[in-house]
Amino acid sequence: NAGVTQTPKFRVLKTGQSMTLLCAQDMNHEYMYWYRQDPGMGLRLIHYSVGEGTTAKGEVPDGYNVSRLKKQNFLLGLESAAPSQTSVYFCASSPLGQGAIEAFFGQGTRLTVV
Amino acid sequence: QQQVKQSPQSLIVQKGGIPIINCAYENTAFDYFPWYQQFPGKGPALLIAIRPDVSEKKEGRFTISFNKSAKQFSLHIMDSQPGDSATYFCAAHRYSRWGKLQFGAGTQVVVTP
Repeated sequence: NAGVTQTPKFRVLKTGQSMTLLCAQDMNHEYMYWYRQDPGMGLRLIHYSVGEGTTAKGEVPDGYNVSRLKKQNFLLGLESAAPSQTSVYFCASSPLGQGAIEAFFGQGTRLTVV
Repeated sequence: QQQVKQSPQSLIVQKGGIPIINCAYENTAFDYFPWYQQFPGKGPALLIAIRPDVSEKKEGRFTISFNKSAKQFSLHIMDSQPGDSATYFCAAHRYSRWGKLQFGAGTQVVVTP
């Protein structure tokens, strides 16, 4: 059972370049999220999705776009990368419902923008 | 601003010591408080969670203490081991309806042999 898989694991971009990070989950979860992790800042929510075809902004959405065309995939795009977007990016998913929701995380993508 | 404030940012203890991580929240609508553990190079994973109707929950060597009136909760790692060295995140959300998990800034714990 793969859980949440992120592609790629590492990437170096030049300022102004674009790229797409792919997240795939095989748990049939309704909710998917993209976080960035920076030292001393914890996990900050970039965008999230509550179902196929829907997306919403999180705390730090500027400079990013997302799409969820299929339930199992959630894509994070950087149209014009900036050094401030150097970070570790985590995708997560969680099931629909109330109660003790558990978020399942991927292993992260380390992105460096030079 | 972060809705869940976590301290300290880092902690070093000797094997057998009890690292304590503290979190505080403002939003009284939060009623579910999980802790996530993250090892280097890995994504966070759920460790233990508590609801405010209990003041303490234990799972193995990990204990959560909860003070509803003070809107504070803490994680204690009893008899800590080098293998417990990781980053720990507290989080909060609303049990009664779905909401986004709000994470604290994280605490890097190092347990020395």
